[in-house]
Amino acid sequence: GAGVSQSPSNKVTEKGKDVELRCDPISGHTALYWYRQSLGQGLEFLIYFQGNSAPDKSGLPSDRFSAERTGGSVSTLTIQRTQQEDSAVYLCASSLTAGHIQPQHFGDGTRLSIL
Amino acid sequence: KQEVTQIPAALSVPEGENLVLNCSFTDSAIYNLQWFRQDPGKGLTSLLLIQSSQREQTSGRLNASLDKSSGRSTLYIAASQPGDSATYLCAVRPDNQGGKLIFGQGTELSVKP
Repeated sequence: GAGVSQSPSNKVTEKGKDVELRCDPISGHTALYWYRQSLGQGLEFLIYFQGNSAPDKSGLPSDRFSAERTGGSVSTLTIQRTQQEDSAVYLCASSLTAGHIQPQHFGDGTRLSIL
Repeated sequence: KQEVTQIPAALSVPEGENLVLNCSFTDSAIYNLQWFRQDPGKGLTSLLLIQSSQREQTSGRLNASLDKSSGRSTLYIAASQPGDSATYLCAVRPDNQGGKLIFGQGTELSVKP
């Protein structure tokens, strides 16, 4: 069966541009999570969705970062006015529900490079 | 603030050895602990999830234990193979903090033929 799908797999853009990263969760999974993995900081939580609402946005590093989820399925993470420190791998995960017995399943990530 | 530490940061062993990876966390108020594997350029593959009420979980050659009160977990890999070479990450899910996972920095494992 299909796993978590992320696109693009790689993105190179110039500083100051806006970027959109897409995540398509496993079919039927109601909970969706975004994380960022960078060399200096390891893997950090950004935001999670239960359905279309985001109960926890505490990990978003600045107001340049936003995310939405529509139809309880696909999610988009948007970074406005990108900076070089935004360069990282952005990972998306989904789980059947947000309940604590459910494991999170990860996509392969989007590798973002800001020139 | 919950912190997760993994020791060692890197490990190289000959094929066939049994090995143990360590994970420690500072706050015992967790729902569960999950072990992942990450291959270069790839996402994370979930290996084992241990609920806070459990002591261990097993899958094939992998066995993970959890001692919540002391803030420790171990991942035991039996009869290691070159295909086990990857980075292994542990993550805890804190109580009452929604669905977020807090990760350690990982142990990079190399199994030599």
